[in-house]
Amino acid sequence: ETGVTQSPTHLIKTRGQQVTLRCSSQSGHNTVSWYQQALGQGPQFIFQYYREEENGRGNFPPRFSGLQFPNYSSELNVNALELDDSALYLCASSLDSERGGREFFGPGTRLTVL
Amino acid sequence: AQSVTQLGSHVSVSEGALVLLRCNYSSSVPPYLFWYVQYPNQGLQLLLKYTSAATLVKGINGFEAEFKKSETSFHLTKPSAHMSDAAEYFCAVYNQGGKLIFGQGTELSVKP
Repeated sequence: ETGVTQSPTHLIKTRGQQVTLRCSSQSGHNTVSWYQQALGQGPQFIFQYYREEENGRGNFPPRFSGLQFPNYSSELNVNALELDDSALYLCASSLDSERGGREFFGPGTRLTVL
Repeated sequence: AQSVTQLGSHVSVSEGALVLLRCNYSSSVPPYLFWYVQYPNQGLQLLLKYTSAATLVKGINGFEAEFKKSETSFHLTKPSAHMSDAAEYFCAVYNQGGKLIFGQGTELSVKP
C-alpha cells in the first residue's frame, strides 16, 4: 500500500506567475483535500474533491482551483501568485469523504513566492 | 461554527517529564476532535481522535487525551517525554461540512 505523495517538494515562483502542485492519493482512496499551511500557522482547508467533483471549499479566492482525475490523483492550481501564497501545501486523501480522522497526509510542497 | 484554540505556541519540557498540550474547542454540535503531530519537513500524522465514544482516548507513541465537555477541552498528555517527541502538535475539529479546522499549533521542545 503506497502512501500519499506530492510533487514537487519545493518550488520557487515569482509574483504573478501560475503554479500547479500534484498529489497522488493513498491506494483505494477516492477523496482528496488540500490545505495551506503558512509559516507558524495551522493548516487551513482550501477545498476537497470527492470522485472528481468539488465537495466543499474554504475561504480561498477563485484563483485557487483544483482537479481530481479518474485515478483519484489531484492537482492544485494557483494563478496570479501573491507573496502571501508562500506556504506549505498539504494534500490528504481519505475514503468516501468520511468523517472520523481517516485523512492521510502527504509530506507537502513548499512554495516560495518572490 | 467549530473552532479550536491551542494555549501556548511553545512548550518546553525535560526528558522524562510530563507533557501537557492544551486545546479548547468551540462547537455547536458534538465534536469530532483530533490531535496531529508534524515533524520537521514532514506532513501531518494522526496521533489520536475522539468521536463520541470513550472520553479518554489513547493514541500512538504513548499519548492520550481526555474529552471534557464541561470544560470544552481536549488536552493532550504523555506521562514521560522522549527526545523524539519534539515536534509541532495540532489540535483539530471537524466542522459541520466535515472539514478539518486546525488550531495554530504548539511546538514541543524536549530538553535532555
